[in-house]
Amino acid sequence: AQTVTQSQPEMSVQEAETVTLSCTYDTSESDYYLFWYKQPPSRQMILVIRQEAYKQQNATENRFSVNFQKAAKSFSLKISDSQLGDAAMYFCAYRSHEYGNKLVFGAGTILRVKS
Amino acid sequence: EPEVTQTPSHQVTQMGQEVILRCVPISNHLYFYWYRQILGQKVEFLVSFYNNEISEKSEIFDDQFSVERPDGSNFTLKIRSTKLEDSAMYFCASSPQGRASGYFGPGTRLTVL
Repeated sequence: AQTVTQSQPEMSVQEAETVTLSCTYDTSESDYYLFWYKQPPSRQMILVIRQEAYKQQNATENRFSVNFQKAAKSFSLKISDSQLGDAAMYFCAYRSHEYGNKLVFGAGTILRVKS
Repeated sequence: EPEVTQTPSHQVTQMGQEVILRCVPISNHLYFYWYRQILGQKVEFLVSFYNNEISEKSEIFDDQFSVERPDGSNFTLKIRSTKLEDSAMYFCASSPQGRASGYFGPGTRLTVL
């Protein structure tokens, strides 16, 4: 079974600076999808970014980018120019390409943004 | 932009009572999911539904849970006899195809007393 590990329970960043959230996963599959979701205090789950494992290029969405290291099974999220509105819980998630459509989530990282 | 909607936003019930959580997925989506999140914990998969049947379910999704798509728009999760440990946030999600990321609803907070 696939597992997703987020080793940082909590991170802090100063407004306008850059922060990186870590995620590692365990799988025997070669093709899969990885996601980062943001959960603000409202508890809504908001998709931030997705990466397809067969793509070597790291995904980017405005201030959000990933560092996908397939061999190391690592999928970190970099937030540039951090804003107060980025403060939230961030979840890393895995989806198999072949076996089912469910998302497997990590335990989450709380991101605090200081003004 | 189309959204997944869920009702109610907060449900309080007594232990042993039945509850039905309702979701309206995005209209052209074909895959539907329920997840739950116990306060302070990770989001856990419960069940996926496609073509009017369950396509996958987790160990959490035991006989006290059921899902239904009673009409062309609603997708429901029923818990037959609620337990204290069922208190959680329940998220509905939908996707246009199996390989796409899920679009999550705002969640229903279930409190079992």
